[in-house]
Amino acid sequence: DAKTTQPNSMESNEEEPVHLPCNHSTISGTDYIHWYRQLPSQGPEYVIHGLTSNVNNRMASLAIAEDRKSSTLILHRATLRDAAVYYCILYSGGSNYKLTFGKGTLLTVNP
Amino acid sequence: SAVISQKPSRDICQRGTSLTIQCQVDSQVTMMFWYRQQPGQSLTLIATANQGSEATYESGFVIDKFPISRPNLTFSTLTVSNMSPEDSSIYLCSVGQGANYGYTFGSGTRLTVV
Repeated sequence: DAKTTQPNSMESNEEEPVHLPCNHSTISGTDYIHWYRQLPSQGPEYVIHGLTSNVNNRMASLAIAEDRKSSTLILHRATLRDAAVYYCILYSGGSNYKLTFGKGTLLTVNP
Repeated sequence: SAVISQKPSRDICQRGTSLTIQCQVDSQVTMMFWYRQQPGQSLTLIATANQGSEATYESGFVIDKFPISRPNLTFSTLTVSNMSPEDSSIYLCSVGQGANYGYTFGSGTRLTVV
């Protein structure tokens, strides 16, 4: 599985935008970029995914670099409920449908 | 997206005993997985639960310790056998439909072995 690199931790203030970076320089052409988050004492929760183009949904936006070697998860207005560990995962499917988790980024949101 | 019911949500078990964790999905899904999350750590994949055949285990996990059943496309069990305190972790099941779909996770089973 191609690897991702994320900062160990980030801090934000409530109601401000948050940009969570992820580097994946060895990404292959068939790798989707998935983001999940894990709130305290809960299982991971799907946030968003994309292949080449930027993506938006009700939770967040995903900005993918033109060369696809990096991506950024954007939370437009952070709330206290967004405090979680955020995982950036490359996933290609095929005969190997498993998600492999790295250490992720611990996001702290200050009131 | 699929909804997962995982039971039990938590348990405290004596060493040397076994615990079976159930994962029920509200729709048929192609892929089911079992993960372990040790205290303060990220998730580690234990195995892929295959419907109608033996599970596919990741390196470091063996069938004798973590037997898995998957009798149909909506249900799977993971058994943690002959438990020791080192098995104290959160165990989670997950389901997916492919690379272009988000995966869903259960809320986890918090296991404490004493």
